[in-house]
Amino acid sequence: DTAVSQTPKYLVTQMGNDKSIKCEQNLGHDTMYWYKQDSKKFLKIMFSYNNKELIINETVPNRFSPKSPDKAHLNLHINSLELGDSAVYFCASSWTSGRRTGELFFGEGSRLTVL
Amino acid sequence: DQQVKQNSPSLSVQEGRISILNCDYTNSMFDYFLWYKKYPAEGPTFLISISSIKDKNEDGRFTVFLNKSAKHLSLHIVPSQPGDSAVYFCAASAHNNDMRFGAGTRLTVKP
Repeated sequence: DTAVSQTPKYLVTQMGNDKSIKCEQNLGHDTMYWYKQDSKKFLKIMFSYNNKELIINETVPNRFSPKSPDKAHLNLHINSLELGDSAVYFCASSWTSGRRTGELFFGEGSRLTVL
Repeated sequence: DQQVKQNSPSLSVQEGRISILNCDYTNSMFDYFLWYKKYPAEGPTFLISISSIKDKNEDGRFTVFLNKSAKHLSLHIVPSQPGDSAVYFCAASAHNNDMRFGAGTRLTVKP
């Protein structure tokens, strides 16, 4: 009964491939996120979806495309993978009341390695 | 541009002593601050938060202090326990839902 689950946990692929990471939350939250933890260990926000609508889209290459089929799912699709995409990607969810975001609940992370 | 900075990548303390983790921020629009704890191979988990209208929030062994004029916050853990060994992330948000994280501080509590 994991609250925020993401698959796969590990992904090793070649440059130029296309891959997806899936995320599901069973907390009933209305906002979901993708964060990237790079080699310097910073957690950087990539995307935020509130009730299936994109509300934050940081400066991320358009090779990254999030898709939210419903409030409980936010998948991340990456086209034409590059070496610099190697990182740990964390999915998270939260309640948003008005314009205030509550604490985030994170998944376990998906470690992507591009060779 | 890193709006949230944790300048100490690591900290080691003896069991029973106080652990003090520091965080600085640059964006004066931040009004909500949080600490997350992360164990290896797990996602960060929420630990404690503080609103900018307060300067202190306490929850058991954990206390967060906020100094708005210095744009500085700190997390105090007392007494420290070996199970507290983890990476601690400082985070801050403004009312636009954009939560920014620091790079984390690895705390090691020695028995």
